[in-house]
Amino acid sequence: GENVEQHPSTLSVQEGDSAVIKCTYSDSASNYFPWYKQELGKRPQLIIDIRSNVGEKKDQRIAVTLNKTAKHFSLHITETQPEDSAVYFCAASRGNQFYFGTGTSLTVIP
Amino acid sequence: DAGVIQSPRHEVTEMGQEVTLRCKPISGHNSLFWYRQTMMRGLELLIYFNNNVPIDDSGMPEDRFSAKMPNASFSTLKIQPSEPRDSAVYFCASSPPNRGRYNEQFFGPGTRLTVL
Repeated sequence: GENVEQHPSTLSVQEGDSAVIKCTYSDSASNYFPWYKQELGKRPQLIIDIRSNVGEKKDQRIAVTLNKTAKHFSLHITETQPEDSAVYFCAASRGNQFYFGTGTSLTVIP
Repeated sequence: DAGVIQSPRHEVTEMGQEVTLRCKPISGHNSLFWYRQTMMRGLELLIYFNNNVPIDDSGMPEDRFSAKMPNASFSTLKIQPSEPRDSAVYFCASSPPNRGRYNEQFFGPGTRLTVL
């Protein structure tokens, strides 16, 4: 089965700096890579995703890159704001089933 | 659409009692997933259904856990008997029929279970 590893487990940045979270996966057949944001006490919500036929996708301050050869993908948040503080989960998917990483707790220090 | 609906939102019970968690997926979605979230183990997939049929239940921890989906709009996750180590947040998620080959999962608000 698929194995997704996520690093770092915790990340603190100053407001305005960039944050990068990295994930690796093992199943070369995985073709969909969503990122979820979970605020304290709330449900995970999709913030951005990338398909296997694309190398990079950007949505305002958030971008995701995918390297299929190396089987890794990353989330980049620029100009971080305090409201970006949350736990971020990556996932890899082939078909219906998602395999989630263990999460990164991001703290943006004002 | 109201999104995925779960009940109860919070459940406190005593060890040995039966617990039933409920989920109503988004109308039109045909895949439903039950996850358990703890600090130690993160988000774990317990079981998922496609068109009301259980597809993969390899994540169900043991026989004390069972899940059903009697129709397209309702699913239950039952724990009997419950144990303190079952304390966690249980999420239900649903996804629509395949659009191409990719499916976003929409999460419910979760049920926070505490077993004393």
